[in-house]
Formats: sequence, structure tokens, C-alpha cells
Amino acid sequence: DAGVIQSPRHEVTEMGQEVTLRCKPISGHDYLFWYRQTMMRGLELLIYFNNNVPIDDSGMPEDRFSAKMPNASFSTLKIQPSEPRDSAVYFCASSLDSSGANVLTFGAGSRLTVL
Amino acid sequence: AQSVAQPEDQVNVAEGNPLTVKCTYSVSGNPYLFWYVQYPNRGLQFLLKYITGDNLVKGSYGFEAEFNKSQTSFHLKKPSALVSDSALYFCAVRDMNNNAGNMLTFGGGTRLMVKP
Repeated sequence: DAGVIQSPRHEVTEMGQEVTLRCKPISGHDYLFWYRQTMMRGLELLIYFNNNVPIDDSGMPEDRFSAKMPNASFSTLKIQPSEPRDSAVYFCASSLDSSGANVLTFGAGSRLTVL
Repeated sequence: AQSVAQPEDQVNVAEGNPLTVKCTYSVSGNPYLFWYVQYPNRGLQFLLKYITGDNLVKGSYGFEAEFNKSQTSFHLKKPSALVSDSALYFCAVRDMNNNAGNMLTFGGGTRLMVKP
């Protein structure tokens, strides 16, 4: 398996534009997570899905952020409209099942810069 | 609620010397504990985990960690550091008794700098 695949790796956009980040989890993994990493706030969990269903979106910062998982092999995180404070690295991760001992596999991340 | 503290933002060590990266945790029940490493421009990679059993856990790249229940700590160690170990290290915890799904809480990260 190629691991968790994220695109784009880098995105530079202007304030007010829509941003869509994409993730392909490892095949067979039932859980998918979106994290955001910044220097100031560290690693924050935004939302996670189980079998394509959003389970907890309490980490989504505001209504400008939305995430979907239309099928088991694809998820998107959308920011509309984007703001400079959204600049961060966004990671997608997946895991096999709900076992508490389960390990997350992370993608390489999408570095977003909003000017 | 579960939480993790990594008290050091950065740890500096000379190559060949032993290294320790500290982690303390707080959970209401029994913990699952993890260490992940992040190299520049990469995602986090799993290093090792403690579930139950032997308090000394061995992981990838020669790293190990010791679970200490009385001190609620899970420090990461390596007997002899390499320059290539320089990276950002994250400790994480999940409460075994937590019914809130698959939530993993990460610490703030510790940057390890190994100098030749």
C-alpha cells in the first residue's frame, strides 16, 4: 500500500478563496482523521470519521471549515472563505479499527499558506 | 479528560550520548501510550506504544520507552543518539476506558537536536 496520500502538498492562495484539501486513506482502514499543525497551537484534531460517517467535529474551528467522506477511499477538507490565520500544515491520518491500541498512519501533509 | 505534557520544547544531545525525551500523561482510567516522530516536511511516524505488560517497550530505530504508572510518565530513551535522530517527537495518550471513540491526545512535541 502507498500509505495515506494527501494532495496538494503545497497550496498558496489569497484570502477569501476556497481551498480544498484531499486525502486517500489506506485501504481497509475504517477511521480517518484530519489534524492541523501550527507553531502556536501544535497538533489539533479537527474531525474524524468512522466508516465514512463524521463522529466528532468539535475541533473544527468555525463554519468556514467543512469535511466530507463520500466513500471509503476519499475525504476532503474545505475552507471557504480562507483567511491568513488558516495557514498551517493539514494532516490526514487513518487507522484500522476502534481498538484503543491502534496506530495512526499519517499522510505527508498539505502545507497551506493564505496571503 | 485526557492530556499529555512534554515539558521540554527542545532537547540537545551530542552524538553517541544517551538521550531522554520526557512525557507525562493524565487519564481517568488506564492509558494506551504512544510515541511518534516527525521528520522535516513529513507526516508523523509511529515509533512505539505501551498497551499492557512489560513497562519497558522497545520500538523502531533503537528507541525504547519506560512506562511508570506511579509517576504517570512515559519517557522516550535511546542509549546512543545519532545525528539522524534529530526530529520532532510527539507523545500521545488514549484512555482505555474512554468511550469517546478513537480519540488520541498529542503532546506539544519536543524537538531533538543531535550534534556531531
